[in-house]
Amino acid sequence: DIQMTQSPSSLSASLGDRVTITCRASETISGFLNWYQQKPGKAPTLLIYGASTLQSGVPSRFSGSGSGTDFTLTINSLQPEDFATYYCQQSFSMPRTFGQGTKLDIK
Amino acid sequence: EVQLVQSGAEVKKPGESLIISCKGSGYTFSSSWIAWVRQVPGKGLEWMGIIYPGDSDITYNPSFEDHITISVDKSIATAYVQWSSLKASDTAMYYCARRLNYYHSSGRLSDAYDIWGQGTMVIVSS
Repeated sequence: DIQMTQSPSSLSASLGDRVTITCRASETISGFLNWYQQKPGKAPTLLIYGASTLQSGVPSRFSGSGSGTDFTLTINSLQPEDFATYYCQQSFSMPRTFGQGTKLDIK
Repeated sequence: EVQLVQSGAEVKKPGESLIISCKGSGYTFSSSWIAWVRQVPGKGLEWMGIIYPGDSDITYNPSFEDHITISVDKSIATAYVQWSSLKASDTAMYYCARRLNYYHSSGRLSDAYDIWGQGTMVIVSS
């Protein structure tokens, strides 16, 4: 199975900050990388697929980049609703695997 | 509105059987794969497997294959995951999710999960 490792595991930031979350795959996955947001007590929601394509309805302050084994999720100008846990997921091979999550909270 | 609605929370004893469900609406259910994802309380997401309602084609995560059965009844737009003998370690939130297909710039078909059910909490305790 492809192992997905996110860093950091947790992150504190302030409203208006720019934050970057990193996801590394244990082997190359080309650009087959998705990002999800999960708020407490809720199901995950899709933010970005194919490493950089914003899902419909997702604010443009979210962006993704990367290819191969290293990927990033960037959130510009943090808003109150952005404080959540973020997961990366590879869609290159079966079984699909997720990173362990990055919890973003308010400083 | 496109949605997946899951069955309610369950409390079971070890060794008991269980089936939970996921009903799709607002789209052509038989044309989109449905995945199941486990989340142990306070932990991350684990992909269990996926089923195509059109022909019941299934791919399991080998880590789950010997312990669960995924099925579908396309006539009522409902997918299921079942256990014949629950363990305490099955205590978790279970989500179903619809697969979104997309073509990567390389031309290869890939996927993400764009619609999620609200989750079904399963507690297994003696």
